[in-house]
Amino acid sequence: RKEVEQDPGPFNVPEGATVAFNCTYSNSASQSFFWYRQDCRKEPKLLMSVYSSGNEDGRFTAQLNRASQYISLLIRDSKLSDSATYLCVAHSGGYQKVTFGTGTKLQVIP
Amino acid sequence: DTGVSQNPRHKITKRGQNVTFRCDPISEHNRLYWYRQTLGQGPEFLTYFQNEAQLEKSRLLSDRFSAERPKGSFSTLEIQRTEQGDSAMYLCASRTGGATEQYFGPGTRLTVT
Repeated sequence: RKEVEQDPGPFNVPEGATVAFNCTYSNSASQSFFWYRQDCRKEPKLLMSVYSSGNEDGRFTAQLNRASQYISLLIRDSKLSDSATYLCVAHSGGYQKVTFGTGTKLQVIP
Repeated sequence: DTGVSQNPRHKITKRGQNVTFRCDPISEHNRLYWYRQTLGQGPEFLTYFQNEAQLEKSRLLSDRFSAERPKGSFSTLEIQRTEQGDSAMYLCASRTGGATEQYFGPGTRLTVT
């Protein structure tokens, strides 16, 4: 079993739709969690941090459930420019060890 | 451009040859990571430096792989006796001590023939 698991997709959604991605992690010692975005043939870039209290950045909402070891990302009012792969990331060992999920591919269709 | 840079961007080598990649992090970043990414997969952690000290190394990193950061600035990743399974994108990332966001370089794409 992978330490961080994501549904690889692809998720094909129409513009304006709301889409949710899920991620589970198996290492209960994981301390911090993030969502990164990776465009095709580009390097990953931080999208947002994930907190138990939930955090929102414009159309994006991230949530952490430590009891269930589950992370989510919600994208509202999808734009064509949201098309990318979304990577779930867990840090452990004082941020020394970083585990990425496989990534979930999103394609927003006109 | 003051971002993370990696050289070379592409490397084609024959099986059994040694290769070395270089990463220049953002100048004030003292934390540095190396990852490997294959098609359809997320980046796979290889190793972590804090200044010049290599503090974490993945069990996936075989003896053929070695990384250094001699002066706490740039870093090199060497692969000895390359195998076809080493073909991948090798990514470097850096961050400051007080931050959690990593900044990635563009990567070095290795093809072993």
